[in-house]
This record gives sequence, structure tokens and C-alpha cells, in this order.
Amino acid sequence: AQTVTQSQPEMSVQEAETVTLSCTYDTSESDYYLFWYKQPPSRQMILVIRQEAYKQQNATENRFSVNFQKAAKSFSLKISDSQLGDAAMYFCAYRPSTNAGNNRKLIWGLGTSLAVNP
Amino acid sequence: EPEVTQTPSHQVTQMGQEVILRCVPISNHLYFYWYRQILGQKVEFLVSFYNNEISEKSEIFDDQFSVERPDGSNFTLKIRSTKLEDSAMYFCASGTRWSGEQFFGPGTRLTVL
Repeated sequence: AQTVTQSQPEMSVQEAETVTLSCTYDTSESDYYLFWYKQPPSRQMILVIRQEAYKQQNATENRFSVNFQKAAKSFSLKISDSQLGDAAMYFCAYRPSTNAGNNRKLIWGLGTSLAVNP
Repeated sequence: EPEVTQTPSHQVTQMGQEVILRCVPISNHLYFYWYRQILGQKVEFLVSFYNNEISEKSEIFDDQFSVERPDGSNFTLKIRSTKLEDSAMYFCASGTRWSGEQFFGPGTRLTVL
């Protein structure tokens, strides 16, 4: 069964500094998607970044970047120049790359609560 | 920018009552999902819907739950007889055939008393 593990329940970072959130996953699939979602106190689920497993290049979105290590099944999120608005719960999620109607659900980690200190 | 919308934002109901949670997915999306998140716990998949039928459901999605796309724009989740443990945040999401990501609505917070 596919699983996603986030081993850091809570993290904190000083404003303007860099923080890395860890995620590992387990799958026997060779092609899949990985995502980081942000959930602020409003509880809205916001997509931060996505990575396709077939792409060797790590995805980046402004201050957010990932370190995707396919062999190690690791997918960490780096937030640079942290801002107070980055404080939120961050979820790592996995989905097989399939165009079938089924097996498209997201499988989620437990989340990491990130605090940003001024 | 198109977005997924959900109503109501908060629903309070008595145990045993029926509730219907409503979602309007992004208009050109073909895949629809319901997830739930019990406070402080992980996000759990409930059901996916494609081509006017359920394509996948979890063990949580028992006979008390049903989904419907009644009019080509709305996508609803019905809980027939709510239990205390159904209290959670319910998220609707939609996606296209070819892209990997799912776009989430703002959620409906369901409180069962």
C-alpha cells in the first residue's frame, strides 16, 4: 500500500530564514505525482508545489522549492526567506500517475505545523 | 481565476439528521472528489466521481453516504443519518483528465451535536 510519512509534527523558523520540511513515501509505482499543500488557520487547502516523478529537475515556485530524491523516496520542501504568512500546516501528498477513472485519490501525510517567529 | 466553491461554510446538525454538502467544481474539470479532515487529524479520502458515477470509494464511504451531480454544475455529498464522529471539515476537490493536481474548495465544517 502507498503511504506518506511526515516525521516532523511541528517546526519553527525565524522570519527571513530558511526551513526544510521532510516527507518520505512508499510506492511500487514508477510514475506518480507528489504535492505539498498548505493549510492556514482558515483551513483552506492551498497547493504550494507539485512534482512529477518522471522529471529529474526539482520543482520551484518563487520561495518554495523541493528536493526530490526518487531512489530514496524522499520529497522535502524548502521555504526560503520565510514570512509570517507562511505559518500554516503543510501536508505532503502522493498520487499515482494514472488516467484511469479510479486510483486517482490523494494519499496524505499527517502534516507538519510550521510556526514563523518574528 | 476559476475556483471550487462549497456551501455552506459551516453546518451544525443534530445526530441522526440528514445533511447535504454542496460543491461547485471548476467548470471544465471532469474528476470530482470528497475528502474529510477530522480536527487535528489527517486528511482522508472519501470518494471520487467521474463520468456520472463513483470511480472509487474508501471504507469510510458506507451506505450512509451518497454523492450526486444533479445538474451538471453542482456536486453534492449527502450523509443520511449523521453521527457524532461525522463532525469534520469536508473538502470538495476537482481535477482535469491530464493534470495531476486537485483543486480544493474552502471546505464545509460539519458539527454534529
